[in-house]
Amino acid sequence: GAGVSQSPSNKVTEKGKDVELRCDPISGHTALYWYRQRLGQGLEFLIYFQGNSAPDKSGLPSDRFSAERTGESVSTLTIQRTQQEDSAVYLCASSPQGRQLGTPLHFGNGTRLTVT
Amino acid sequence: KQEVTQIPAALSVPEGENLVLNCSFTDSAIYNLQWFRQDPGKGLTSLLLIQSSQREQTSGRLNASLDKSSGRSTLYIAASQPGDSATYLCAVSGSGGSNYKLTFGKGTLLTVNP
Repeated sequence: GAGVSQSPSNKVTEKGKDVELRCDPISGHTALYWYRQRLGQGLEFLIYFQGNSAPDKSGLPSDRFSAERTGESVSTLTIQRTQQEDSAVYLCASSPQGRQLGTPLHFGNGTRLTVT
Repeated sequence: KQEVTQIPAALSVPEGENLVLNCSFTDSAIYNLQWFRQDPGKGLTSLLLIQSSQREQTSGRLNASLDKSSGRSTLYIAASQPGDSATYLCAVSGSGGSNYKLTFGKGTLLTVNP
């Protein structure tokens, strides 16, 4: 079956521009997560959705970052006024359940964002 | 704040060798621990998930152990193959209300030479 799909796979943007990253989770998965992987660093948690609500957005680095989810499906991560330190791979994951996480996360292939 | 450390950062072995990857975490109050594999330019693939009440999980040539009280986990790979070459990541989920949130180590880059 289809896995988690992310688009675009690569994005190069100029400093100061806004970007939107898209995630299509596995159908029926109620929980959705965004993580960031910067070069040489471990994955960092950004935000968690349960359905269309985000009970935990504590990992968003600044108010330039926002995310939404609609139809308990697609999610969009938006970065406004991009900075060079935003360059990273942004990974989306989904799971059938959020709290009481007893099942593995399914990750997409990520979007590699480069800010020049 | 939970911190996850993986040792070694990189490992190169000849094909056929058995090997062990190590993961340690600072806060033993975890809900579960997962091992993932990441191939270059790809997302993460879940290999094994160990609940906090469990001691080990096995899948094929992989065996993961968990010693929660000492904050350690190992991933044992038997009879390694070139196709096992990848970065292996360890992640723990918090206990209580934040058990959906994973804290990752930086990974071990494994190269298996034919």
